[in-house]
Parts: sequence; structure tokens; C-alpha cells
Amino acid sequence: QVQLQESGPGLVKPSQTLSLTCAVSGASLTSGSSYWSWIRQPAGKGLEWIGRIYTSGSTNYNPSLKSRVTISVDTSKNQFSLKLSSVTAADTAVYYCARVISPPFSPVRWFDPWGQGTLVTVSS
Amino acid sequence: DIQMTQSPSSLSASVGDRVTITCRASQSIDTFLNWYQQKPGEAPKLLIYAASSLQSGVPSRFGGSGSGTDFTLTISGLQPEDFATYYCHHTYTSLWTFGQGTKVEIK
Repeated sequence: QVQLQESGPGLVKPSQTLSLTCAVSGASLTSGSSYWSWIRQPAGKGLEWIGRIYTSGSTNYNPSLKSRVTISVDTSKNQFSLKLSSVTAADTAVYYCARVISPPFSPVRWFDPWGQGTLVTVSS
Repeated sequence: DIQMTQSPSSLSASVGDRVTITCRASQSIDTFLNWYQQKPGEAPKLLIYAASSLQSGVPSRFGGSGSGTDFTLTISGLQPEDFATYYCHHTYTSLWTFGQGTKVEIK
């Protein structure tokens, strides 16, 4: 059973960098039919896709965040990470990591499973 | 960006009711559409992928249909554990977006 677990500081000061890690168990980050993603959700609001990282290490980011986001992978620890720089109160949210299922010979994609989420508050 | 619009934003229903939630894309997305259920304090859970494929372990009362720009999530015989918020999600382009959510409440 694949499980994902987010970790990182729950409080970040404005203008600093938010750093989160997602530990993956039950699957290898180098699995050919999966890749990995971050999504966030401000309190009481909807879901916003942040970005994804492929097994090759290549990435795609939401253009609205692209200038501030870096997603990386550490295959030795079977985990991937999110860094979001120059944070403001608008970045306060629950941050989720998720596996992207990418079936062979199929263009469809979906998130499954998700981590439990971690709340990050941006405040001085 | 492809905008995903769900309707209604919220609805009240009784146990046993048939519930229909609609998701409309601002342009055609073929069948690159997924549905998730989210309960308070929990992470979203995959229900339907590729518009109509039921995720393993999800009760058969959940069903998805549609293609192009119009999609539907149907719950046939609402159960107490189905009261939650439901989100549609497309993966047609490199920028993935979600609908704003539909909250299903107890009448």
C-alpha cells in the first residue's frame, strides 16, 4: 500500500522560504508509471495544483507560482520536496503531496493516493 | 488556462437520494477528468478517473460520465458517509486545474 507523509515547519515568516518534504512508502520514486506532485488548499477554499516532478527529475509548475517554486527529488531517501520562496500570508494553506498515476500507453492522469496534508501558516 | 466550473456549489440531500453534480470545462478536455471526495479535515480521495472509470474500492453507487466539456458525477442512493465536498480535476493540458467544489450537505 502506497503511503505519502508530508513534513516541515508549520510556521514560516513572510518573505522567507517554505520547505516541505514528502516521504513515500510502498512505492519507488523511480517507478516508471508514476510521478509526484504538490497541491495546496487555503482554509475553506478549493484545491490548487502547484507542480509535479517526473522520474527523470524534470518538472512542471503552475505558472502562477513558477517564479517561486522548486520541486526536487531525493531517490536515496525515497522522498521529494517543495520549496516556495518569498512567501506571504496568501501562501497559508494545507499542503498535500500526491502520487500521479500515469498508465502506460494512456494519456490519462490522476492523483492517488494523497498525503494527509500539512498546514503551513505564514505569519511573523 | 482551462477553467473548471462545478454546479451547484452546494446542495442539500437526504439519505437515499440520487445526487448529480456537474462539471463544465471552458474548452474540450476529452475524458481527461477525475473526481475526488474530500471530508472535513481529510485529504481528497479519488473516486472516478478518466471521466467514467471507478477507482478500485469505491462503492458502485458512484458513477461518472461525460466527455468534451460536460461531465457528471452521480451518487445513486446517498449514504451518510457521502456527505462531503466533491471536486472535479482535469489533466488535459500541462496546467492542471480543479473545479471549485460542490458541498453535499444533509437535508
